[in-house]
This record gives sequence, C-alpha cells and structure tokens, in this order.
Amino acid sequence: GENVEQHPSTLSVQEGDSAVIKCTYSDSASNYFPWYKQELGKRPQLIIDIRSNVGEKKDQRIAVTLNKTAKHFSLHITETQPEDSAVYFCAASWLNDMRFGAGTRLTVKP
Amino acid sequence: DTEVTQTPKHLVMGMTNKKSLKCEQHMGHRAMYWYKQKAKKPPELMFVYSYEKLSINESVPSRFSPECPNSSLLNLHLHALQPEDSALYLCASSLLRGGSGGTGELFFGEGSRLTVL
Repeated sequence: GENVEQHPSTLSVQEGDSAVIKCTYSDSASNYFPWYKQELGKRPQLIIDIRSNVGEKKDQRIAVTLNKTAKHFSLHITETQPEDSAVYFCAASWLNDMRFGAGTRLTVKP
Repeated sequence: DTEVTQTPKHLVMGMTNKKSLKCEQHMGHRAMYWYKQKAKKPPELMFVYSYEKLSINESVPSRFSPECPNSSLLNLHLHALQPEDSALYLCASSLLRGGSGGTGELFFGEGSRLTVL
C-alpha cells in the first residue's frame, strides 16, 4: 500500500515568515494529493489539494507543488499568522484509498 | 448540506460491551470511510465502502465490524474492545470519480471519541 512520509514533524516560525512542509509518497499510481489542517479537538479540514496532472496550485497565501517524477509534494504558507498554528497532514490517494503523512505541528509566534 | 454527522460524540464502554458508532451524509457521496486517530497521530485508514460495498479493510481486528446499510449511512459496530482501542473515530465521505480520476476531497465528521475501560 501507499506510504507517505512527512517532514518536519514540528515547525516554529515568526509571524509573517514562510513555512514549508514536505511529503514523499511511494505509490506511483497515486494521483490526488490533499493537505489537511487539524486544530486541537477538531476534525481535519482540507486547505488545498492537487492532482497529478498539475505541477503547482495556489490559493491566496497557500500553495502546493508536486513533482511526480520524484514523488514528492510540498505545502508553502506565506505571511504566516498565529491562526495558522495547527497540525498539517499531507495525504496521497489512488481511487478511494487515502493515506496520511505523520503530520507537522506548525507554531506561528506573534 | 455539506456535513458528515457522527453520533455519539463521546462513548465510554467496558470491554464486554457492544456499542455502535453511526455516521450520516446527504451529499450524494458514494465512498464512505472509517479512520482511527490516536492522540498526536495521523488518521489511520480502517475501512472504505464504495457504492455500499466494502472495498478496503486494512486488516482491522474483527472486534470492529463495519456496516453500510445504504448510501447515506455508515455504522461501526464495536464488541469486546480493548483499552488500546480508545481513540477518536472519524467518518468521512467523498465523491467517486470515474475512470482513473481517483478520489476527491474527504469530508470528515467531527468524530466519536471512544474510551474503553
């Protein structure tokens, strides 16, 4: 089955700085790569996703890049704000089989 | 309605009890999922139903028994659980894309927090 690795496990940045989280996946058949944000005690919520036929996608301060050849994808958050503090999970999916990375705890210091 | 509703929100049960977790969605999604999430860990896939048929079973112990009575409902029947089964159980649903389109966004419920004594 799919194996998703995510780094770093924790990330601390100053407000206004950028944050980058990286993931690699093992199954070349995976073709959908979402990123979820989970705040303490809440459900995971989709913040951005990308499909394998696209190399980059941006939504305001958030962007995701995908390198299919290298089987890695990254989340970029610019101009971070304290409310960005949460755990972020990457995931990779083929058909209806979605597996998550171990998560990154992002702390944005005011 | 873009919600996935899970009940109960909290459940405490003994190791000899039988209980069920319930999940409901009315978004017309034909894939429904059970994930288990322990504290500070990612969601771990347990079961997937596609068109009301079990399509993925991640070697979950038989004390967990899923059921999909119709396209809107998903149950997880619990029996003879162990304390290590205490976790947040998340239900999710998604569209199924035809051909090689794969899955789409997973919509998660708020979860059922299970404590096994």
